[in-house]
Amino acid sequence: AQSVTQPDIHITVSEGASLELRCNYSYGATPYLFWYVQSPGQGLQLLLKYFSGDTLVQGIKGFEAEFKRSQSSFNLRKPSVHWSDAAEYFCAVGVGAGNNRKLIWGLGTSLAVNP
Amino acid sequence: NAGVMQNPRHLVRRRGQEARLRCSPMKGHSHVYWYRQLPEEGLKFMVYLQKENIIDESGMPKERFSAEFPKEGPSILRIQQVVRGDSAAYFCASSPALGRQETQYFGPGTRLLVL
Repeated sequence: AQSVTQPDIHITVSEGASLELRCNYSYGATPYLFWYVQSPGQGLQLLLKYFSGDTLVQGIKGFEAEFKRSQSSFNLRKPSVHWSDAAEYFCAVGVGAGNNRKLIWGLGTSLAVNP
Repeated sequence: NAGVMQNPRHLVRRRGQEARLRCSPMKGHSHVYWYRQLPEEGLKFMVYLQKENIIDESGMPKERFSAEFPKEGPSILRIQQVVRGDSAAYFCASSPALGRQETQYFGPGTRLLVL
């Protein structure tokens, strides 16, 4: 079955510290992977995506993610967190074929940033 | 280029009333997706539509829920005889073309509260 797991429900880091949010997926075909961020009461903003090619992808706001097929993972990283990064982060995998496609989501990781 | 637009942003209904949620995709996008975010749960796919066609409604509840994307005008998600369990954030996303790797761009969501 297709699924996405984000093992960490909540993470707290200090401003300026590095960050890694974990994401594992289960999907039989080549995965198309996404990270979205949601601020309280807001919509979902795309941070980055992986389709093919270089397994290290760069996104907006200084985020990057690395696709590791052997580990079925797509972890999100940032070298130095800013207070404005406090938000909910969602990992998703694009599934389907032809006209049938949708996103399967992890439950999200809530990030708090201490000053 | 305006993003995905959803209205209303907040909607309050009493049990038994109807809720109509509207979504205008980004300019040039002909594919619309609806997702629901329930409290304490992740995002769940509901339905995928192209102009005048429902492509995949596997995530839609069998009763009371319907969706359309007419040739002209926004996509509509309609919930008849709402119940308290329908209280959630409903997000619409759009994409430009075929392929499950296509990025979905999200609107700000409609927060539905059923009293």
